[in-house]
Amino acid sequence: QITLKESGPTLVKPTQTLTLTCTFSGFSLSTSGVGVGWIRQPPGKALEWLALIYWNDDKRYSPSLKSRLTITKDTSKNQVVLTMTNMDPVDTATYYCAHMSTIFGVAHFDYWGQGTLVTVSS
Amino acid sequence: QPVLTQPPSSSASPGESARLTCTLPSDINVGSYNIYWYQQKPGSPPRYLLYYYSDSDKGQGSGVPSRFSGSKDASANTGILLISGLQSEDEADYYCMIWPSNAPLVFGGGTKLTVL
Repeated sequence: QITLKESGPTLVKPTQTLTLTCTFSGFSLSTSGVGVGWIRQPPGKALEWLALIYWNDDKRYSPSLKSRLTITKDTSKNQVVLTMTNMDPVDTATYYCAHMSTIFGVAHFDYWGQGTLVTVSS
Repeated sequence: QPVLTQPPSSSASPGESARLTCTLPSDINVGSYNIYWYQQKPGSPPRYLLYYYSDSDKGQGSGVPSRFSGSKDASANTGILLISGLQSEDEADYYCMIWPSNAPLVFGGGTKLTVL
């Protein structure tokens, strides 16, 4: 059974750096074809993909946020960490981590965490 | 970054069918990519429904009823999610997603489906 859970601060101040941790179970991020991504959703708005890390440490970022994002993995701890610098109130959103399965060219987020709401306010 | 256009809202009555669309920009050919669909209910994370490339290359998410299906309209450069036999529990937001080669993964703006 695959589960993911996001953790991190619920409130950050503008200009601060946000660090979110995704702790997962039921799969290994050293297995070929597996990835973990981060997606966010501002209140009442659409999903926005942020970043993805693959089993082989290949990393992909949203071009619009690439300069502010870093994604890393700790396979031994079953964790993926996302950092986002220079937080702004517009970054207020629910942040989700999700398991990505890539098989035969089909890449989709098939398991999601419950999400964590991060509010950016002074 | 490509933009996927979804109508903000759609409605249909129980038992009817709902056809939700996801229009790709003109420089991305819908025929060349998998279209993924997600369902999200209030207060819950998105749920993966299915992907559609062609009638011979498609896949259903685990536990997703067969009344959810995908297709494409090449003339409109659009991906389609068809929900037949609508039920009240299908009332939700629906998002499409694509991941073009050499381009970032992107979600559509979502469609709020109301079951009247």
